Amino acid sequence: SQELEQSPQSLIVQEGKNLTINCTSSKTLYGLYWYKQKYGEGLIFLMMLQKGGEEKSHEKITAKLDEKKQQSSLHITASQPSHAGIYLCGADRNNDMRFGAGTRLTVKP
Amino acid sequence: GAVVSQHPSWVICKSGTSVKIECRSLDFQATTMFWYRQFPKQSLMLMATSNEGSKATYEQGVEKDKFLINHASLTLSTLTVTSAHPEDSSFYICSASRTRTYEQYFGPGTRLTVT
Repeated sequence: SQELEQSPQSLIVQEGKNLTINCTSSKTLYGLYWYKQKYGEGLIFLMMLQKGGEEKSHEKITAKLDEKKQQSSLHITASQPSHAGIYLCGADRNNDMRFGAGTRLTVKP
Repeated sequence: GAVVSQHPSWVICKSGTSVKIECRSLDFQATTMFWYRQFPKQSLMLMATSNEGSKATYEQGVEKDKFLINHASLTLSTLTVTSAHPEDSSFYICSASRTRTYEQYFGPGTRLTVT
């Protein structure tokens, strides 16, 4: 089973709608990373969260890490076709790096 | 910014030959470099973590003798796929980090096709 649970596995939204992707760990995290990838291309690093309660934003994407540092959410506001791709969360658990299974996002124009 | 390059960006080789992929941090010193492998439409799989000047730490199930990793300097790590087979065909991505828990910067990836 995945040590990092990412949900949903896939998501189809209409352009302009908001959406949220979640990443949950059974262990406390030292760092939580969010990436975006288009199939066949390299990863794009979106942001990294380290502190409990931390929240960061990049353009229309906001990521939060809960106080217990075990769950993170990625929220996209007013989605656009350019947001389509696979979103991955990655966790640093002190010398142990793990990735979620990814969320495949499709944005319908 | 922090830029990581990979070379080559794509390579085709014959079964049984070896292929070397380079990962370079262009404008910073990378204490730690990571190598990942991706299968089509699947998530990334971490293959190994390498720290400059020491042996790489391989993930469970990754063959050390097949995937040779060298991190000889703070700006260069190499992955050599030895005796490549068609099932080794994949997209290999490296990332570099200034420290073990610092942000990772990813290379563009190398597509390996073994015929």
